Amino acid sequence: NAGVTQTPKFQVLKTGQSMTLQCAQDMNHNSMYWYRQDPGMGLRLIYYSASEGTTDKGEVPNGYNVSRLNKREFSLRLESAAPSQTSVYFCASSDQLAGVNNEQFFGPGTRLTVL
Amino acid sequence: AQKITQTQPGMFVQEKEAVTLDCTYDTSDQSYGLFWYKQPSSGEMIFLIYQGSYDEQNATEGRYSLNFQKARKSANLVISASQLGDSAMYFCAMREQRAQKLVFGQGTRLTINP
Repeated sequence: NAGVTQTPKFQVLKTGQSMTLQCAQDMNHNSMYWYRQDPGMGLRLIYYSASEGTTDKGEVPNGYNVSRLNKREFSLRLESAAPSQTSVYFCASSDQLAGVNNEQFFGPGTRLTVL
Repeated sequence: AQKITQTQPGMFVQEKEAVTLDCTYDTSDQSYGLFWYKQPSSGEMIFLIYQGSYDEQNATEGRYSLNFQKARKSANLVISASQLGDSAMYFCAMREQRAQKLVFGQGTRLTINP
């Protein structure tokens, strides 16, 4: 099992450019998440998807859109990148949304720099 | 609202010593879960240990244990016999029963000295 995979690993954008971060999981998990991690900080939730076909906003959704393409894939799109979106982006998945004890499995992260 | 506080930005410990990383939390829910993750310099997030709010025993996973004091709302991570490979950032996180997210603390950078 590859677990959670993310592409690309690194990306540099100019202000105003758009891009999509891809995430896929092969653990048959229902729930998927996108987080951002700024230097010296913990992770903050951008969007999540409880199940295929549903998405909801997290703590910091402004400037982002998501698509749950199918059960395996959950993409994050920046329509018009801003320097404030320079961060490391993590995708995660878990077995069920409502339980407190479901561990989240994380991808390796995408390091994004917006100039 | 959920909140996680890690008050130790950095800690330095000699190899083979035990180390305790502090975590306090704030919630009004009765049902919640507490997690610890390790983030080495390579950047990935590695799950270490979980404690449920209704668990009566402290969680243990190998050299990791969680010192859960519910009345004090603390969930400290204890690493016994530290190793050089334990050098990393450590994050405490909480999930409430009704919430749809993990809330993370700001992390503690642990450095193990030989």
